[in-house]
Amino acid sequence: DIQMTQSPASLSASLGETVSIECLASEDIYNNLAWYQQKPGKSPQLLIYYASSLQDGVPSRFSGSGSGTQYSLKINSLESEDAATYFCLQDSEYPFTFGSGTKLEIK
Amino acid sequence: EVQLVESGGGLVQPGRSLKLSCAASGFTFSNYYMAWVRQAPKKGLEWVATISTSGSRTYYPDSVKGRFTISRDNAKSSLYLQMNSLKSEDTATYYCARQPGLDYWGQGVMVTVSS
Repeated sequence: DIQMTQSPASLSASLGETVSIECLASEDIYNNLAWYQQKPGKSPQLLIYYASSLQDGVPSRFSGSGSGTQYSLKINSLESEDAATYFCLQDSEYPFTFGSGTKLEIK
Repeated sequence: EVQLVESGGGLVQPGRSLKLSCAASGFTFSNYYMAWVRQAPKKGLEWVATISTSGSRTYYPDSVKGRFTISRDNAKSSLYLQMNSLKSEDTATYYCARQPGLDYWGQGVMVTVSS
């Protein structure tokens, strides 16, 4: 099974700042990497698919990059509504595996 | 508008069975692989099962293989998850989601396995 190591586990940043979240796969996942945002009591929402493609309706301050085994999600110009937990997912092969999550707090 | 609505959750004793349903609308259900994903309380996400468009292919992680069965009825635009021999560690919110990319998710349904 492919292991997804996500970092950091938590993050605190101020309004307007830029933050990055990383996911490291245990083997090459060929850009088959998605990022999700989840707010308390809500279901996850897709932000980025295929490593860098922005899902319809997602603000352009969210961006994804990476290749091979290393991927990152960047959020520019943080807004209060970005406070949430973020997860990565590899859907390169079964079993699909998620990162452990990053809880983002807005100061 | 794509909608996925889960139902069938509840409290069940260890070793018993439960069947979840997911009603899909707003897209051509038969054209998409579908999946179940779960989230234990205050924990991360775990993929549970995937089914192909026709239902001929199914995929599971080792944690549920042999106990859970995913199925679908394309005529009813419905997805199912039959869960047998339930364990306390199966306690979670269960989501149905559309593939590829798990781009749409339902609101989730809670399953509690406890005596």
